[in-house]
Amino acid sequence: AQKITQTQPGMFVQEKEAVTLDCTYDTSDQSYGLFWYKQPSSGEMIFLIYQGSYDEQNATEGRYSLNFQKARKSANLVISASQLGDSAMYFCAMTPPAGYSTLTFGKGTMLLVSP
Amino acid sequence: DTAVSQTPKYLVTQMGNDKSIKCEQNLGHDTMYWYKQDSKKFLKIMFSYNNKELIINETVPNRFSPKSPDKAHLNLHINSLELGDSAVYFCASSPRLAGVPGELFFGEGSRLTVL
Repeated sequence: AQKITQTQPGMFVQEKEAVTLDCTYDTSDQSYGLFWYKQPSSGEMIFLIYQGSYDEQNATEGRYSLNFQKARKSANLVISASQLGDSAMYFCAMTPPAGYSTLTFGKGTMLLVSP
Repeated sequence: DTAVSQTPKYLVTQMGNDKSIKCEQNLGHDTMYWYKQDSKKFLKIMFSYNNKELIINETVPNRFSPKSPDKAHLNLHINSLELGDSAVYFCASSPRLAGVPGELFFGEGSRLTVL
């Protein structure tokens, strides 16, 4: 069984600073996918970034990067140069290998960006 | 054009009633899902359909019945609504059921409130 743990219920950061949102996972699978989603107060789920377990390089998408440490089973999201619009819930999630594309989600971290 | 659309976005009803939430995706995806997000923001898979076939049913009460008339639609019908059914229900789709993991595309969510 897969499990995702996000230990930070909430994080505060000032505008323009970088912030790291923690995510650890537990799986016995060798192949899996890791995702981060953003959920603003409006409620929609927005895909941010994806990392495959066999990808050697950390994934990056604009201001988002995924700090993937396979041995430690962690997949932290780094947001550089935070903006006010980054205030939202952030969910870490993973998929099983050649099984279903179903995502298992962590409980989320609420990020608040202050001016 | 909205990729995954759900209706209604808000639904307020009384205990014991029967209600439906509709979902449509215009992405040509094979697989669709229903997720439930509880009051603590935890997202959990309920159902997964691939090409109109039920693939995953995650210990959901029989009062919940998904129906997929075609692979672009996955509706959720709930009988005898209970207070604990109050949540945000997200529809999602993905290109395929299995193989290389791909991100899920979420609808905007349907907030169900049972009084």
